[in-house]
Amino acid sequence: QKEVEQNSGPLSVPEGAIASLNCTYSDRGSQSFFWYRQYSGKSPELIMSIYSNGDKEDGRFTAQLNKASQYVSLLIRDSQPSDSATYLCAVTANAGGTSYGKLTFGQGTILTVHP
Amino acid sequence: SAVISQKPSRDICQRGTSLTIQCQVDSQVTMMFWYRQQPGQSLTLIATANQGSEATYESGFVIDKFPISRPNLTFSTLTVSNMSPEDSSIYLCSVKRTGVDEQYFGPGTRLTVT
Repeated sequence: QKEVEQNSGPLSVPEGAIASLNCTYSDRGSQSFFWYRQYSGKSPELIMSIYSNGDKEDGRFTAQLNKASQYVSLLIRDSQPSDSATYLCAVTANAGGTSYGKLTFGQGTILTVHP
Repeated sequence: SAVISQKPSRDICQRGTSLTIQCQVDSQVTMMFWYRQQPGQSLTLIATANQGSEATYESGFVIDKFPISRPNLTFSTLTVSNMSPEDSSIYLCSVKRTGVDEQYFGPGTRLTVT
C-alpha cells in the first residue's frame, strides 16, 4: 500500500524561527511532490511543488527532495503567526501509470507559530 | 491555477437521503478528482471523474454509493447516496491541467448527516 508519512505534530515554533516539516513516502514510482497548507475550515492550498532532487526555494519556503531516501521536507524561514496551519505532504506518480494524477496525502502536521 | 467553485458549501442532511455536490471550473481542465476529508483526518481520494465515461473509483468506494458525472471539461458532480452519519465529511473536488502536475482544490462542501 502506498503510504505517505509526516512527522508527528503538533509543531510549535516561535515567531521568526525556522519551521521544519518532514515527509517520507513508500512508493518509489512517485515522481511529483507537493506541500499544501490548510487553514482550519478551509480547503488545501498548494504552496510548493518539487520534482527533482535538491532544493527549491520560493520566498520564505524551501522544499527539499531526496528520492534515494524517499524523503521530502519543507522549511519555513522567518515563521509568522499567519503560517499557523496544517501542512499536508502529497505525492503522485507521473503520466503513463495507473496512479497518474492521483494524490496520496500524509496525515498532516499542525504548525503553530507563537508570537 | 484555476478558479473552482463548489455547491453547496455546506449542508445538513437526514440519514437515508442523497446529496449532489457540484464542482465548476472557470476553464477546461484535463482531470478532475473527488476527495473526502473526514473530521480531523487527511484527504482520501474517492474517484477520478472522467469526461464522458464512468468514473474510476479507488478501493473502498463504489459507484452505487458515490455516483459521479462529468459531462464536460469544466463541470462534475458527486452524489453521496443513502447517507449515514459516517458520511459526515468535507468533500473536495480538485483539478489538474494537461502538462501541469499541480493540482488545485475547490473550497469544499461540508456535509453533516443526522
